Amino acid sequence: GQQVMQIPQYQHVQEGEDFTTYCNSSTTLSNIQWYKQRPGGHPVFLIQLVKSGEVKKQKRLTFQFGEAKKNSSLHITATQTTDVGTYFCAGPEGGTSYGKLTFGQGTILTVHP
Amino acid sequence: GAGVSQSPSNKVTEKGKDVELRCDPISGHTALYWYRQSLGQGLEFLIYFQGNSAPDKSGLPSDRFSAERTGGSVSTLTIQRTQQEDSAVYLCASSRVGTSLNEQFFGPGTRLTVL
Repeated sequence: GQQVMQIPQYQHVQEGEDFTTYCNSSTTLSNIQWYKQRPGGHPVFLIQLVKSGEVKKQKRLTFQFGEAKKNSSLHITATQTTDVGTYFCAGPEGGTSYGKLTFGQGTILTVHP
Repeated sequence: GAGVSQSPSNKVTEKGKDVELRCDPISGHTALYWYRQSLGQGLEFLIYFQGNSAPDKSGLPSDRFSAERTGGSVSTLTIQRTQQEDSAVYLCASSRVGTSLNEQFFGPGTRLTVL
């Protein structure tokens, strides 16, 4: 079945440093979604990328979808303590555009003030 | 409007007992999903309901797990003869279908502890 891998598993940064997490799928995705889960909370949707090579920005966050639509990245510029949490990428299975998602294992981000 | 709600928020049970977990999706969302998250781990897909279609049960780990969705709205996940390895947070999510945005809205989860 479809597998979605994320690296790194953990990332510790000093406040103000940049952070990047990478996501790779074993199959081509129709879209990829990113979620953030704060400690003790539930996943919250951040963004969806659909087009090959797409780049989207949300303030300090930059999301990219690879040309082959099998990989993606999330980059945070100048991290803040509010960025702490686990970042998951997820893609729908079987080439569909909706339905059940296969989640990566997540990258746990710790930001030291 | 109201988000996805789940109950109970916490459930402690003894090994061998049955448990029922409830999910109330966002009104108008035709798709409903159950996931399981073990401590410090990612989300493991369990089951997916979409409208009146037969549910996708491909993620259920054993026949002790079952789920139903009544009236296209509320869903109940039942675990029979619970085992210690069933301890996890059970997350429910719902989404619209038929739009280009496939965002899933998650509930707060039910933390299940099997003693």
